[in-house]
Amino acid sequence: RKEVEQDPGPFNVPEGATVAFNCTYSNSASQSFFWYRQDCRKEPKLLMSVYSSGNEDGRFTAQLNRASQYISLLIRDSKLSDSATYLCVVNLRYGGSQGNLIFGKGTKLSVKP
Amino acid sequence: EAGVTQFPSHSVIEKGQTVTLRCDPISGHDNLYWYRRVMGKEIKFLLHFVKESKQDESGMPNNRFLAERTGGTYSTLKVQPAELEDSGVYFCASSPRTGKGINEQFFGPGTRLTVL
Repeated sequence: RKEVEQDPGPFNVPEGATVAFNCTYSNSASQSFFWYRQDCRKEPKLLMSVYSSGNEDGRFTAQLNRASQYISLLIRDSKLSDSATYLCVVNLRYGGSQGNLIFGKGTKLSVKP
Repeated sequence: EAGVTQFPSHSVIEKGQTVTLRCDPISGHDNLYWYRRVMGKEIKFLLHFVKESKQDESGMPNNRFLAERTGGTYSTLKVQPAELEDSGVYFCASSPRTGKGINEQFFGPGTRLTVL
């Protein structure tokens, strides 16, 4: 079983749509959780950290369910510039700067005009 | 502020040859990580330096891979001899050393290695 599993997509949505991505992780000892964004042939960049209470950053909302070992990302009012691959990432240590990150394969999003 | 830089951006070598990848972390970042993405797979951790010391090298695939970070600044990752399955994108990341809070690992643009 993979450590972090995601639906690879692609998700093809029109501009303005709401889209949700899900991710599950296998290690219940995971301490910190992130969504990274990766544009084609570019490096991963942190989109947002994910907290147990849920958190929002503009059009992006992330949720964590530790009991189900499940992480989600909701994007509202999709923009063309949101087209990218979204990587679900966990860390067995608290904090993203310490310890190795464990990546999912990513979910590809394509936003069409 | 300059980001993480990696050199070269691309490398094409033949099986059995040696390749050395270089990573320059963000100035002042004690933590330096190497990751690799093989085609069709997820990004996987290779190893972690804190300053010049190897903190965790559990992800290194075999002894053909040698990483160094002399002086605790830039790092090199040498593959010798290269095999076909070593092809992929090698990412370097760095982060500051901190005892608390959630901090980001900043990734470099990667080195795309092709072994023929």
